[in-house]
Amino acid sequence: GNSVTQMEGPVTLSEEAFLTINCTYTATGYPSLFWYVQYPGEGLQLLLKATKADDKGSNKGFEATYRKETTSFHLEKGSVQVSDSAVYFCARVNFGNEKLTFGTGTRLTIIP
Amino acid sequence: GAGVSQSPRYKVAKRGQDVALRCDPISGHVSLFWYQQALGQGPEFLTYFQNEAQLDKSGLPSDRFFAERPEGSVSTLKIQRTQQEDSAVYLCASSFYGAPGNEQFFGPGTRLTVL
Repeated sequence: GNSVTQMEGPVTLSEEAFLTINCTYTATGYPSLFWYVQYPGEGLQLLLKATKADDKGSNKGFEATYRKETTSFHLEKGSVQVSDSAVYFCARVNFGNEKLTFGTGTRLTIIP
Repeated sequence: GAGVSQSPRYKVAKRGQDVALRCDPISGHVSLFWYQQALGQGPEFLTYFQNEAQLDKSGLPSDRFFAERPEGSVSTLKIQRTQQEDSAVYLCASSFYGAPGNEQFFGPGTRLTVL
Protein backbone atom coordinates (compact mmCIF):
# COMPACT_ATOMS: atom_id res chain seq x y z
CA GLY A 1 0.00 0.00 0.00
CA ASN A 2 0.92 3.65 0.26
CA SER A 3 2.78 3.91 3.52
CA VAL A 4 5.44 5.92 5.28
CA THR A 5 7.83 4.42 7.82
CA GLN A 6 9.41 6.81 10.22
CA MET A 7 12.28 6.51 12.67
CA GLU A 8 10.89 5.79 16.09
CA GLY A 9 11.56 8.13 18.94
CA PRO A 10 11.85 9.74 21.20
CA VAL A 11 15.08 11.45 20.21
CA THR A 12 17.01 13.58 22.68
CA LEU A 13 19.94 15.70 21.56
CA SER A 14 22.08 18.47 22.97
CA GLU A 15 21.85 21.93 21.51
CA GLU A 16 23.97 22.41 18.35
CA ALA A 17 24.04 18.67 17.63
CA PHE A 18 23.41 17.28 14.13
CA LEU A 19 19.95 15.86 13.58
CA THR A 20 18.74 13.10 11.28
CA ILE A 21 15.24 11.66 11.41
CA ASN A 22 14.79 8.81 8.96
CA CYS A 23 11.76 8.38 6.74
CA THR A 24 11.15 5.83 4.00
CA TYR A 25 8.13 5.36 1.77
CA THR A 26 6.67 2.56 -0.32
CA ALA A 27 7.36 3.07 -4.00
CA THR A 28 3.78 3.14 -5.27
CA GLY A 29 2.52 5.92 -7.48
CA TYR A 30 4.34 9.22 -7.77
CA PRO A 31 4.15 10.63 -4.26
CA SER A 32 4.84 14.12 -3.06
CA LEU A 33 6.65 14.01 0.27
CA PHE A 34 6.31 16.27 3.30
CA TRP A 35 7.62 16.90 6.77
CA TYR A 36 5.09 18.37 9.19
CA VAL A 37 5.94 19.61 12.68
CA GLN A 38 3.81 19.92 15.79
CA TYR A 39 5.23 22.27 18.41
CA PRO A 40 3.99 21.89 22.00
CA GLY A 41 0.45 23.24 22.31
CA GLU A 42 0.18 24.07 18.60
CA GLY A 43 -1.38 22.53 15.52
CA LEU A 44 0.39 20.66 12.75
CA GLN A 45 2.23 22.87 10.33
CA LEU A 46 4.13 22.19 7.15
CA LEU A 47 7.91 22.30 7.59
CA LEU A 48 9.04 21.42 4.06
CA LYS A 49 8.07 19.44 1.00
CA ALA A 50 9.40 17.89 -2.22
CA THR A 51 7.22 16.91 -5.14
CA LYS A 52 9.55 14.85 -7.35
CA ALA A 53 12.74 12.82 -7.26
CA ASP A 54 15.95 14.70 -6.40
CA ASP A 55 14.00 17.74 -5.15
CA LYS A 56 15.30 19.19 -1.91
CA GLY A 57 12.91 20.83 0.49
CA SER A 58 14.32 23.28 3.03
CA ASN A 59 13.02 25.58 5.75
CA LYS A 60 14.27 26.96 9.09
CA GLY A 61 17.62 25.22 8.61
CA PHE A 62 15.99 21.83 8.03
CA GLU A 63 16.51 19.93 4.76
CA ALA A 64 15.21 16.75 3.18
CA THR A 65 16.00 15.29 -0.25
CA TYR A 66 13.55 13.12 -2.18
CA ARG A 67 15.63 9.99 -2.98
CA LYS A 68 13.86 7.67 -5.39
CA GLU A 69 16.69 5.11 -5.44
CA THR A 70 16.47 4.54 -1.70
CA THR A 71 12.77 5.54 -1.32
CA SER A 72 13.80 7.91 1.45
CA PHE A 73 13.12 11.46 2.61
CA HIS A 74 15.30 11.87 5.70
CA LEU A 75 15.07 15.10 7.67
CA GLU A 76 18.36 16.77 8.62
CA LYS A 77 19.53 19.85 10.45
CA GLY A 78 23.12 20.78 11.04
CA SER A 79 22.75 22.47 14.43
CA VAL A 80 19.57 22.05 16.45
CA GLN A 81 18.19 24.54 18.94
CA VAL A 82 16.02 24.14 22.00
CA SER A 83 13.18 25.72 20.03
CA ASP A 84 13.26 22.76 17.60
CA SER A 85 11.78 20.54 20.29
CA ALA A 86 8.57 19.19 18.76
CA VAL A 87 7.01 16.13 17.16
CA TYR A 88 7.97 15.63 13.50
CA PHE A 89 5.82 13.72 11.02
CA CYS A 90 6.85 12.43 7.62
CA ALA A 91 3.94 12.25 5.17
CA ARG A 92 3.08 11.53 1.55
CA VAL A 93 0.39 12.30 -0.98
CA ASN A 94 -0.02 10.26 -4.14
CA PHE A 95 -0.46 11.88 -7.51
CA GLY A 96 -4.15 12.24 -8.29
CA ASN A 97 -5.08 12.05 -4.64
CA GLU A 98 -4.91 14.69 -1.95
CA LYS A 99 -5.10 12.72 1.25
CA LEU A 100 -2.01 12.71 3.42
CA THR A 101 -0.59 9.45 4.78
CA PHE A 102 1.49 10.12 7.89
CA GLY A 103 4.21 8.27 9.71
CA THR A 104 3.85 7.66 13.42
CA GLY A 105 5.82 10.76 14.39
CA THR A 106 9.16 11.31 16.12
CA ARG A 107 9.31 13.31 19.33
CA LEU A 108 12.47 15.43 19.43
CA THR A 109 13.75 17.02 22.61
CA ILE A 110 16.72 19.36 22.55
CA ILE A 111 18.46 20.00 25.85
CA PRO A 112 20.56 23.12 26.49
CA GLY B 1 -10.29 33.98 9.09
CA ALA B 2 -6.59 33.83 9.66
CA GLY B 3 -6.44 30.07 9.98
CA VAL B 4 -8.48 26.91 10.30
CA SER B 5 -10.58 26.93 13.43
CA GLN B 6 -12.25 24.01 15.15
CA SER B 7 -14.80 23.81 17.91
CA PRO B 8 -15.08 22.67 20.54
CA ARG B 9 -11.43 22.29 21.43
CA TYR B 10 -12.27 19.64 24.02
CA LYS B 11 -15.26 17.38 24.26
CA VAL B 12 -16.08 14.78 26.87
CA ALA B 13 -18.90 12.41 26.01
CA LYS B 14 -20.46 9.47 27.75
CA ARG B 15 -20.45 6.24 25.80
CA GLY B 16 -23.47 6.14 23.55
CA GLN B 17 -23.85 9.91 23.16
CA ASP B 18 -23.78 11.64 19.79
CA VAL B 19 -21.22 14.39 19.18
CA ALA B 20 -20.74 17.02 16.48
CA LEU B 21 -17.38 18.59 15.72
CA ARG B 22 -17.14 21.75 13.68
CA CYS B 23 -14.47 22.99 11.29
CA ASP B 24 -14.16 26.46 9.78
CA PRO B 25 -11.62 26.32 6.95
CA ILE B 26 -9.58 29.19 5.62
CA SER B 27 -11.80 31.41 3.49
CA GLY B 28 -11.64 30.45 -0.17
CA HIS B 29 -10.11 27.03 0.40
CA VAL B 30 -11.75 24.48 -1.85
CA SER B 31 -10.52 21.29 -0.23
CA LEU B 32 -11.29 20.20 3.32
CA PHE B 33 -10.03 17.12 5.13
CA TRP B 34 -10.76 15.35 8.39
CA TYR B 35 -8.11 13.23 10.15
CA GLN B 36 -8.16 11.23 13.37
CA GLN B 37 -5.07 11.20 15.59
CA ALA B 38 -4.85 8.61 18.33
CA LEU B 39 -2.49 9.21 21.22
CA GLY B 40 1.13 8.76 20.17
CA GLN B 41 0.24 8.13 16.52
CA GLY B 42 0.23 10.06 13.29
CA PRO B 43 -3.01 11.47 11.93
CA GLU B 44 -5.10 9.07 9.85
CA PHE B 45 -7.30 10.18 6.99
CA LEU B 46 -11.06 10.05 7.50
CA THR B 47 -12.71 11.96 4.66
CA TYR B 48 -12.24 14.69 2.06
CA PHE B 49 -14.44 17.34 0.45
CA GLN B 50 -13.93 19.45 -2.60
CA ASN B 51 -16.40 22.30 -2.15
CA GLU B 52 -19.60 20.60 -0.99
CA ALA B 53 -18.84 17.27 -2.66
CA GLN B 54 -17.54 14.47 -0.46
CA LEU B 55 -15.05 12.86 -2.82
CA ASP B 56 -13.52 10.28 -0.50
CA LYS B 57 -14.86 8.83 2.73
CA SER B 58 -12.82 5.66 2.68
CA GLY B 59 -11.21 6.40 6.04
CA LEU B 60 -14.39 6.67 8.09
CA PRO B 61 -14.10 3.75 10.55
CA SER B 62 -17.78 2.87 10.74
CA ASP B 63 -21.24 4.01 9.71
CA ARG B 64 -21.43 5.85 13.03
CA PHE B 65 -19.21 8.50 11.49
CA PHE B 66 -20.76 11.05 9.15
CA ALA B 67 -19.37 14.27 7.69
CA GLU B 68 -20.98 17.06 5.73
CA ARG B 69 -20.09 20.38 4.14
CA PRO B 70 -23.42 21.55 2.76
CA GLU B 71 -22.40 25.00 1.48
CA GLY B 72 -18.81 24.24 0.63
CA SER B 73 -17.39 26.09 3.61
CA VAL B 74 -17.98 24.98 7.22
CA SER B 75 -17.88 21.25 7.81
CA THR B 76 -19.26 19.09 10.60
CA LEU B 77 -18.05 15.65 11.62
CA LYS B 78 -20.73 13.76 13.51
CA ILE B 79 -20.14 10.62 15.54
CA GLN B 80 -23.20 8.71 16.66
CA ARG B 81 -23.35 6.40 19.66
CA THR B 82 -19.77 7.18 20.66
CA GLN B 83 -17.52 4.35 21.84
CA GLN B 84 -14.35 4.49 23.92
CA GLU B 85 -12.25 3.68 20.87
CA ASP B 86 -13.44 6.94 19.31
CA SER B 87 -11.35 8.86 21.84
CA ALA B 88 -8.77 10.78 19.80
CA VAL B 89 -7.91 14.21 18.48
CA TYR B 90 -9.89 15.07 15.37
CA LEU B 91 -8.03 17.34 13.00
CA CYS B 92 -9.45 19.40 10.20
CA ALA B 93 -7.32 20.75 7.36
CA SER B 94 -7.99 22.85 4.29
CA SER B 95 -6.11 23.65 1.11
CA PHE B 96 -6.59 26.12 -1.67
CA TYR B 97 -7.16 23.74 -4.53
CA GLY B 98 -7.07 20.06 -5.30
CA ALA B 99 -3.49 19.31 -6.17
CA PRO B 100 -1.31 16.74 -4.38
CA GLY B 101 1.55 19.13 -3.69
CA ASN B 102 -0.68 21.76 -2.14
CA GLU B 103 -0.06 22.57 1.49
CA GLN B 104 -2.78 21.53 3.87
CA PHE B 105 -3.36 23.96 6.73
CA PHE B 106 -4.39 22.29 9.95
CA GLY B 107 -6.64 23.45 12.72
CA PRO B 108 -5.79 22.97 16.41
CA GLY B 109 -7.97 19.89 16.64
CA THR B 110 -10.79 18.73 18.88
CA ARG B 111 -9.80 16.33 21.62
CA LEU B 112 -12.64 13.88 22.16
CA THR B 113 -12.71 11.76 25.28
CA VAL B 114 -15.39 9.09 25.54
CA LEU B 115 -15.98 7.80 29.06
